[in-house]
Amino acid sequence: DQQVKQNSPSLSVQEGRISILNCDYTNSMFDYFLWYKKYPAEGPTFLISISSIKDKNEDGRFTVFLNKSAKHLSLHIVPSQPGDSAVYFCAAADYNQGGKLIFGQGTELSVKP
Amino acid sequence: DTAVSQTPKYLVTQMGNDKSIKCEQNLGHDTMYWYKQDSKKFLKIMFSYNNKELIINETVPNRFSPKSPDKAHLNLHINSLELGDSAVYFCASSQVTGIMNTEAFFGQGTRLTVV
Repeated sequence: DQQVKQNSPSLSVQEGRISILNCDYTNSMFDYFLWYKKYPAEGPTFLISISSIKDKNEDGRFTVFLNKSAKHLSLHIVPSQPGDSAVYFCAAADYNQGGKLIFGQGTELSVKP
Repeated sequence: DTAVSQTPKYLVTQMGNDKSIKCEQNLGHDTMYWYKQDSKKFLKIMFSYNNKELIINETVPNRFSPKSPDKAHLNLHINSLELGDSAVYFCASSQVTGIMNTEAFFGQGTRLTVV
């Protein structure tokens, strides 16, 4: 049973436009959500996170939105740049589970010049 | 000055062999993890250690044995390697304080190929 799902395996966006990556979860005990970016042959790199007590967190070009009632979060990248091309993983955690992260299957973002 | 470093980056070995992957973090975190990324690209937790104590073991075969000599190191030893063990293994660390955890930092991964 996949508790965190990213239903779009890939997304292609034009440089300068907005990229929206989506993530759904099923476990209502999750209280911390993260986005990671991964380049080939490298480890995932932390991008941005959000606590369940918030509905939005912004860091430069990256904004994460959380809709708890829908069990849905999204990552907005604006403006998108070619260097943003990577695989993006959504992850969720329950504070009582010792830092364990449950990952989605990833969305490969391609930003075209 | 890598925060989480794991060695080797690539490992090719024959079925039935025993191998180890080493991991070290210099972030001062109290919790370390091993994750496995399989051929379908799913990243799944295998183990978690907090201050050298095993706190998470996600129904991993007992051929896999993590060892934490101190809180900065978490090594993964695999006995009697099987073809299905081929995957990318990631080490990670974070600070877990109960009510507020930091994000996990990942190593570069070890691509294990069993032939």
